[in-house]
Amino acid sequence: EAGVAQSPRYKIIEKRQSVAFWCNPISGHATLYWYQQILGQGPKLLIQFQNNGVVDDSQLPKDRFSAERLKGVDSTLKIQPAKLEDSAVYLCASSSPPRTSIANEQFFGPGTRLTVL
Amino acid sequence: QKEVEQDPGPLSVPEGAIVSLNCTYSNSAFQYFMWYRQYSRKGPELLMYTYSSGNKEDGRFTAQVDKSSKYISLFIRDSQPSDSATYLCAMRTFGNEKLTFGTGTRLTIIP
Repeated sequence: EAGVAQSPRYKIIEKRQSVAFWCNPISGHATLYWYQQILGQGPKLLIQFQNNGVVDDSQLPKDRFSAERLKGVDSTLKIQPAKLEDSAVYLCASSSPPRTSIANEQFFGPGTRLTVL
Repeated sequence: QKEVEQDPGPLSVPEGAIVSLNCTYSNSAFQYFMWYRQYSRKGPELLMYTYSSGNKEDGRFTAQVDKSSKYISLFIRDSQPSDSATYLCAMRTFGNEKLTFGTGTRLTIIP
């Protein structure tokens, strides 16, 4: 089974520029998550999708971050304009419907490492 | 106060030693407890999960939960150099898929 795919793997931009990240979840996984992991910290949930609907975006800085999941499969996360403090690894994860997994295991992609100069 | 506290380390131990990794939490609504392992430049991968107080064993790994003390631990027996990674505790409430992570403990096993 192919894992969660993310691109690009690395991105360097200057502050005030915009950037977009792409995620392709595991086939059949209805739930998709975007996390931000700042160096030395654990991942922090930014947004959770169930199919193409938003379940939780309470920690998404909506003045500069946006995300969409068209057709309930791939997802993009955008930052516009970027700030220095947005430097982090952006992780995408997906999970199968809760009824098929007690643990509701989230499978993570390799992440996109963003550096804002 | 953070909802989940984890000693960031780093922790270095010789090969074959027993490793103990710990997290405390303040939200008594947390019902599911997980340990993720994250290798450098990779995403986290689920190592173990538990949902009741007590011990759960899987090979060289034992997860321990004490809900009365709001304390969870991961023990690694006969540690190997391949265990060198960052270990993240994570937890969630019943009916909610959102995970709250600790800051992670960076572990190095010295051959």
